[in-house]
Amino acid sequence: QVQVVQSGAEVKKPGAPVKVSCEASGYTFTSYAIHWVRQAPGQRLEWLGWINAGNGDTKYSQKFQGRVTITRDTSAKTAYMELSSLRYEDTAVYYCARGPQAPDHNNWFDPWGQGTLVTVSS
Amino acid sequence: QSVLTQPPSVSAAPGQKVTISCAGSSSNIGNNYVSWYQQLPETAPKLLIYENNKRPSGIPDRFSGSKSGTSATLGITGLQTGDEADYYCGTWDSSLSAGVFGTGTKVTVL
Repeated sequence: QVQVVQSGAEVKKPGAPVKVSCEASGYTFTSYAIHWVRQAPGQRLEWLGWINAGNGDTKYSQKFQGRVTITRDTSAKTAYMELSSLRYEDTAVYYCARGPQAPDHNNWFDPWGQGTLVTVSS
Repeated sequence: QSVLTQPPSVSAAPGQKVTISCAGSSSNIGNNYVSWYQQLPETAPKLLIYENNKRPSGIPDRFSGSKSGTSATLGITGLQTGDEADYYCGTWDSSLSAGVFGTGTKVTVL
């Protein structure tokens, strides 16, 4: 079945980077995009950015521009999200999700990964 | 970042119907498709509706979606206790070139 599976929980100190992986299976990886979405405790969903798994094009939320980098390894069918200069307020569950290759006009997220809890603590 | 506005909560008795609104603007809902997600407690979101009103395989027809102008609506009929969850609308914002989500609505079955 179509699924995306994420790496495990992380605990990081303020100022450090974190890198989360998202391994896809059950579909042609390069025919879709991978999006990254986060959810702070008790808060709403927040979109970070996406990567076209076919050609590697990326787009990031203005809020995270300069701090987030999304990459992919097509041979491993895996996408990665790295967030640098972590702050306490970056503590959240980070999700990856499959989406259409061209998200403008028609965007959706399905399926979602199980989520990766990133805790920023000194 | 642009945010779509949803009511914080809605509730109804088992078997009844609820509707959840999602208000946006011409740069997002007004010109792009809307999707809806269900997030059960302590779980990842799940796609319920895509392209305004289409249901993925396996989603019961108790769930329906519609769009008019710059607003969208999710309807749930025959409410069940298992429907208690947070629901989010989502779309693309063409001005921001970014994905945007609603503020979320908690559905309670009385």
